[in-house]
Amino acid sequence: NAGVTQTPKFRVLKTGQSMTLLCAQDMNHEYMYWYRQDPGMGLRLIHYSVGEGTTAKGEVPDGYNVSRLKKQNFLLGLESAAPSQTSVYFCASSPRDRYSNQPQHFGDGTRLSIL
Amino acid sequence: GIQVEQSPPDLILQEGANSTLRCNFSDSVNNLQWFHQNPWGQLINLFYIPSGTKQNGRLSATTVATERYSLLYISSSQTTDSGVYFCAVEARFGAGTRLTVKP
Repeated sequence: NAGVTQTPKFRVLKTGQSMTLLCAQDMNHEYMYWYRQDPGMGLRLIHYSVGEGTTAKGEVPDGYNVSRLKKQNFLLGLESAAPSQTSVYFCASSPRDRYSNQPQHFGDGTRLSIL
Repeated sequence: GIQVEQSPPDLILQEGANSTLRCNFSDSVNNLQWFHQNPWGQLINLFYIPSGTKQNGRLSATTVATERYSLLYISSSQTTDSGVYFCAVEARFGAGTRLTVKP
């Protein structure tokens, strides 16, 4: 019972490089989310998806793109990494939307450093 | 968007003490969760509690939706309770309460 799995767990990039973070869930959840957590702060919502083929912006979407080609996967892309994007990235999923009566399930996070 | 404020920002306890953490929010909610982030960074779901009271062992939570606040109670605290406690309302997180329990 894997739940929410994030790949990779750690990554170091140089400024200007691109990369994709993968989130996979095996709970058949409709909704998926990407958050970032900076030191000493709570999580901030980057983008989310309400179902396969859909994406929407959260609080801090600039500099990121996402795709949800399959229901179980939600990809977060950085086209041109910047040092300000150094953070820990968390993925979450839930059976329905964030306004309904269902809790979110989180992955263990991806620690990303941009040099 | 909805505002979520947690207090206190930091809390230091002696092992065995009790504590109350507070979460205030600015609008009516359908979704409120309490999480514990352990020293390894993992987010542990403690309670899903948009209203009412729940208990799980030494932890309990109460949400009074009409007054827009939620409380997390930790009784007989242990060193393993240390970490950051987050309240999340409609997918928006508060800044957290950092709890340190000393032996």
